[in-house]
Amino acid sequence: NAGVTQTPKFQVLKTGQSMTLQCAQDMNHNSMYWYRQDPGMGLRLIYYSASEGTTDKGEVPNGYNVSRLNKREFSLRLESAAPSQTSVYFCASSEAWGSTEAFFGQGTRLTVV
Amino acid sequence: GNSVTQMEGPVTLSEEAFLTINCTYTATGYPSLFWYVQYPGEGLQLLLKATKADDKGSNKGFEATYRKETTSFHLEKGSVQVSDSAVYFCALGGGGNKLTFGTGTQLKVEL
Repeated sequence: NAGVTQTPKFQVLKTGQSMTLQCAQDMNHNSMYWYRQDPGMGLRLIYYSASEGTTDKGEVPNGYNVSRLNKREFSLRLESAAPSQTSVYFCASSEAWGSTEAFFGQGTRLTVV
Repeated sequence: GNSVTQMEGPVTLSEEAFLTINCTYTATGYPSLFWYVQYPGEGLQLLLKATKADDKGSNKGFEATYRKETTSFHLEKGSVQVSDSAVYFCALGGGGNKLTFGTGTQLKVEL
């Protein structure tokens, strides 16, 4: 049972380049999330999908877009990367919006130069 | 809105020492409270949770009690091990609310 799988694990981008972070879960969860983790800031919610077919902005959505491709997959796209987007990105899922436990992927360490 | 405040780290302890990591919260409604742990190079994983006032969550020797009167959920362990070295996040959520995380506290346990 893989849980939440993110790809890639590491990525270096040049300013202005685009990329998509992939996330898939095999727990049949309805809700999925994208967070970024920065030193001293904890985890901040970028976007979430409460259920298949819906997406909503979190605390820090600027510069990002998301797609809930199906119940399993939720991707995060950076259209024009900026150095301020250097961070560790985590995908997570839960049974439902507001469930009492979230399951996290191993993270993607992104550096924008 | 909801918020979580936890003590800044890093916290450095000797093996077998007693651990307390403080966490206080501000919330509307009746959220659940959580401690997540992040080991080096890994994602977060749930350590323990409490879903209502006076509940005690426990796991792997760690404990935390949901104190509504002091809006706190402090993490404790009686005797830490080197393998407990990690970053610990306090969070609140559930009941229709998104998870809100604290900034994390790094714990280093030395021999």
